[in-house]
Amino acid sequence: GESVGLHLPTLSVQEGDNSIINCAYSNSASDYFIWYKQESGKGPQFIIDIRSNMDKRQGQRVTVLLNKTVKHLSLQIAATQPGDSAVYFCAEIPDSNYQLIWGAGTKLIIKP
Amino acid sequence: NAGVTQTPKFQVLKTGQSMTLQCAQDMNHNSMYWYRQDPGMGLRLIYYSASEGTTDKGEVPNGYNVSRLNKREFSLRLESAAPSQTSVYFCASSDWATYSYEQYFGPGTRLTVT
Repeated sequence: GESVGLHLPTLSVQEGDNSIINCAYSNSASDYFIWYKQESGKGPQFIIDIRSNMDKRQGQRVTVLLNKTVKHLSLQIAATQPGDSAVYFCAEIPDSNYQLIWGAGTKLIIKP
Repeated sequence: NAGVTQTPKFQVLKTGQSMTLQCAQDMNHNSMYWYRQDPGMGLRLIYYSASEGTTDKGEVPNGYNVSRLNKREFSLRLESAAPSQTSVYFCASSDWATYSYEQYFGPGTRLTVT
């Protein structure tokens, strides 16, 4: 069935370094992808999105890359800060019923 | 704007008890959603309401019912709680009319069923 998965359940990064969080998706027809950040005890918060007609999109300190050939999505966080500690989820919309299909999440740990 | 609000924040139920989780949004969004999140897992869609007056099942609807009371409010009811329903429940809303797929989430309700 349709699924969105993550390569690494936990990622430890030194403060100040760049973080790369990866996500694999299975539905080649998916048109839209979103990255969410969830801090402990809170609901998910939108970070950045990308449509399937794009390869790259940049936000403030974040970049999302989409490789449709291998059905891979990544989130890059520049100059990682302690406030970036959270679980990061990718999600896809595989069809037009507007339902998001969520991955399991990657926990980002920042080492001082 | 308060965004998406949920009540209660915490709840403990005994097996077989019933309860209703409340959700409201003040962003005039058309669509609302209920998710559950088990420890260390992603979100799974229980029910959603694409617009006022409509509701549809998501991935894990069994054991739950929903009511879209009006455009602002979307409630989730557990008729006979089971330990397997111990989870954190999130409500979300979005507005397709603006061609945005972004969903805005509430703070969650942490439910324990003993």
